[in-house]
Amino acid sequence: LAKTTQPISMDSYEGQEVNITCSHNNIATNDYITWYQQFPSQGPRFIIQGYKTKVTNEVASLFIPADRKSSTLSLPRVSLSDTAVYYCLVGDRLYSSASKIIFGSGTRLSIRP
Amino acid sequence: DTEVTQTPKHLVMGMTNKKSLKCEQHMGHRAMYWYKQKAKKPPELMFVYSYEKLSINESVPSRFSPECPNSSLLNLHLHALQPEDSALYLCASSQEDINNEQFFGPGTRLTVL
Repeated sequence: LAKTTQPISMDSYEGQEVNITCSHNNIATNDYITWYQQFPSQGPRFIIQGYKTKVTNEVASLFIPADRKSSTLSLPRVSLSDTAVYYCLVGDRLYSSASKIIFGSGTRLSIRP
Repeated sequence: DTEVTQTPKHLVMGMTNKKSLKCEQHMGHRAMYWYKQKAKKPPELMFVYSYEKLSINESVPSRFSPECPNSSLLNLHLHALQPEDSALYLCASSQEDINNEQFFGPGTRLTVL
């Protein structure tokens, strides 16, 4: 079971690029890496998912090195509204492995003006 | 419609009460989930339904009883809860694959007195 480790908190300023790293040293061959964002008193919101190299969407980029033992969520030009908790998940997408849905402890990102 | 709705938003109940939480989605998703989230902690998976059948029960006490009446609805029946069961209860849904993008509802804030 791949355990994830994230920084507890990070601070940044508006307009900066923010990179949040997640460590998953025992990631399995079939595991994907998924990131969610959660605002207070709301459900998590899917940000991005990847398996290897780089994935980019309209919200973020996900960088995964060749050994896949870590991943970095990159948020370009953050704003105050990006203040939230960011969770990294590592798990198999296969049906029988549903019990591997384990959220990491999360990174509390605070953006300042 | 890309929304998961949950009712009620807030619920206060005594330890001898019986209540139910309701979740609904109309995205045609065939996997639905219940999570429990305590304050400042990550969501913890409780149950997974796939094609209206319970596929995962993460060793949840029997005082929590899930039900999936049809492909759009998911209920969580509560009976004889304890104060430590007070938490935010989140419902989510996804396409057939587990660990694929999950869409979360806003949650029900439950307080057990």
